[in-house]
Amino acid sequence: TQLLEQSPQFLSIQEGENLTVYCNSSSVFSSLQWYRQEPGEGPVLLVTVVTGGEVKKLKRLTFQFGDARKDSSLHITAAQPGDTGLYLCAGVTGANSKLTFGKGITLSVRP
Amino acid sequence: DADVTQTPRNRITKTGKRIMLECSQTKGHDRMYWYRQDPGLGLRLIYYSFDVKDINKGEISDGYSVSRQAQAKFSLSLESAIPNQTALYFCATSWTAVDTQYFGPGTRLTVL
Repeated sequence: TQLLEQSPQFLSIQEGENLTVYCNSSSVFSSLQWYRQEPGEGPVLLVTVVTGGEVKKLKRLTFQFGDARKDSSLHITAAQPGDTGLYLCAGVTGANSKLTFGKGITLSVRP
Repeated sequence: DADVTQTPRNRITKTGKRIMLECSQTKGHDRMYWYRQDPGLGLRLIYYSFDVKDINKGEISDGYSVSRQAQAKFSLSLESAIPNQTALYFCATSWTAVDTQYFGPGTRLTVL
């Protein structure tokens, strides 16, 4: 059973469109991270959310942590080709406090 | 210069060969990790190390071994490579288990 479910798995949109992607779980997380991975590179952290209901903005990207700390969403406004990449969410849970990654969302923004 | 480096970046080898992937970091982090990434399966943890004397198995450690030669160096070995170990391998470091993980650029390994 996948601890973190990300959806949709693939998304292809036109430049200028808005989009929302999701990271869901039945487990409660003490914190949740979002990473972006570009082809040929390793993942790079975008944001960490810690408090239930927290909203963080990074330019055109808006991240929200669910009130129950079981899910998160990423909204991109006016997507640009530079937003193309694999978006990974990763959560910390349990006594071992290890980071567990979702399978990722592949986003393609067409010019 | 990159904070986390991996060598080699690409490697093609044959079934049964021994392979070592190396990772070095200049961030001064105690925690280091090895992941493999496969299409549709995401990042899966192979081994992790909290410090030079502390090595732990991840979710898919079978067929792999690691060595933490120093705080800055963490190597992953495939004793006898098999084709289903063909994947993209990433090394990462962090201050603590809950902090940001800093990834290397990856090693693309192909086992024929």
